[in-house]
Amino acid sequence: DTAVSQTPKYLVTQMGNDKSIKCEQNLGHDTMYWYKQDSKKFLKIMFSYNNKELIINETVPNRFSPKSPDKAHLNLHINSLELGDSAVYFCASSQRGNTIYFGEGSWLTVV
Amino acid sequence: GQQVMQIPQYQHVQEGEDFTTYCNSSTTLSNIQWYKQRPGGHPVFLIQLVKSGEVKKQKRLTFQFGEAKKNSSLHITATQTTDVGTYFCAGYNSWGKLQFGAGTQVVVTP
Repeated sequence: DTAVSQTPKYLVTQMGNDKSIKCEQNLGHDTMYWYKQDSKKFLKIMFSYNNKELIINETVPNRFSPKSPDKAHLNLHINSLELGDSAVYFCASSQRGNTIYFGEGSWLTVV
Repeated sequence: GQQVMQIPQYQHVQEGEDFTTYCNSSTTLSNIQWYKQRPGGHPVFLIQLVKSGEVKKQKRLTFQFGEAKKNSSLHITATQTTDVGTYFCAGYNSWGKLQFGAGTQVVVTP
């Protein structure tokens, strides 16, 4: 019944590995996002998709690649993980720029 | 580009006291939203303000949107331990781009 669900919730991995985080929303929203939250709690938007089309691509390393197979899913793949990638990654969705609904977050720790 | 600034970054409050967190934008906003993130949790929508000078209340929380639609405030009265968390404002500009403030982390001392 979770509106925005993302997996895994916790991920510990070594530097240099490749990992993916999956996200699904069952709210029927047309827009999905990936946000990164660092240790200082700052929420930084990484990507935004509207109806499977990329509309926001902030300055993030090209090791991060989003994929939206349909408008209910937005996955995030990260290549060659670095220590600085450690953060909480939130998936979110909204309908035409209204209220944003966040997933519970994926805690990524790179060691 | 548009910047949304939020102050203070940290707020230590004694239980029962009042406090206010402020949000300021460098450009006019079409609307502003407030979110609360409990420790270990995810941001949850609290409220949206759209009209110039709008004031909305949710129990002990009072939200205000400035007349120029460039600033907003959240005032909490009689703070309780359940108010602990990080409060974010987020503003939409006229191009439909949303930007979050840096958040105010609130710690409540019993």
